[in-house]
Amino acid sequence: NAGVTQTPKFRILKIGQSMTLQCTQDMNHNYMYWYRQDPGMGLKLIYYSVGAGITDKGEVPNGYNVSRSTTEDFPLRLELAAPSQTSVYFCASRPSRGRTDTQYFGPGTRLTVL
Amino acid sequence: RKEVEQDPGPFNVPEGATVAFNCTYSNSASQSFFWYRQDCRKEPKLLMSVYSSGNEDGRFTAQLNRASQYISLLIRDSKLSDSATYLCVVNQGTGFQKLVFGTGTRLLVSP
Repeated sequence: NAGVTQTPKFRILKIGQSMTLQCTQDMNHNYMYWYRQDPGMGLKLIYYSVGAGITDKGEVPNGYNVSRSTTEDFPLRLELAAPSQTSVYFCASRPSRGRTDTQYFGPGTRLTVL
Repeated sequence: RKEVEQDPGPFNVPEGATVAFNCTYSNSASQSFFWYRQDCRKEPKLLMSVYSSGNEDGRFTAQLNRASQYISLLIRDSKLSDSATYLCVVNQGTGFQKLVFGTGTRLLVSP
């Protein structure tokens, strides 16, 4: 299993541009999450999903959108990028059976908005 | 007040030392508790869950005091490979896991 994969690893955007951060997991997990981590700060939840077709806002959803058309994929869309969105973005997934305590994180996408 | 507070460190210790990290949380309705480890420029990984009775995993011991809203992590016989940032994490969700992360405590183990 590859686990949770994220693309791209790095990206520089200009203010006002848009992009999609990709997240895929091959563990058949129902729960998926998007977080952002700013320097010296704890991870903040942006959006989450409890299964295909079901998404909901987390703590800091403004400026982002998500979709969940399949169990495997949970892309995060940034519209009209702003410097405040410069951060490291982590996608995570969690099983609904077995080790349900554990969130498995992808390697992250480092985004800079200039 | 932050929802989860940790001393950012860094804690500089020699190999073989014992080191303890503390964490406090503000929401008394929090459901479950964890320590995650994050290496520099890497993703967080679950180190261990924290149970009310306390639990041990090799050189690592975690304790929870619900009355004081306090969590601790003890690392014995520190190794160079233990150098990392340790994140205190609290689940405030019921059914759905809503994790709130502390900012982390940095540990540097030197030869």
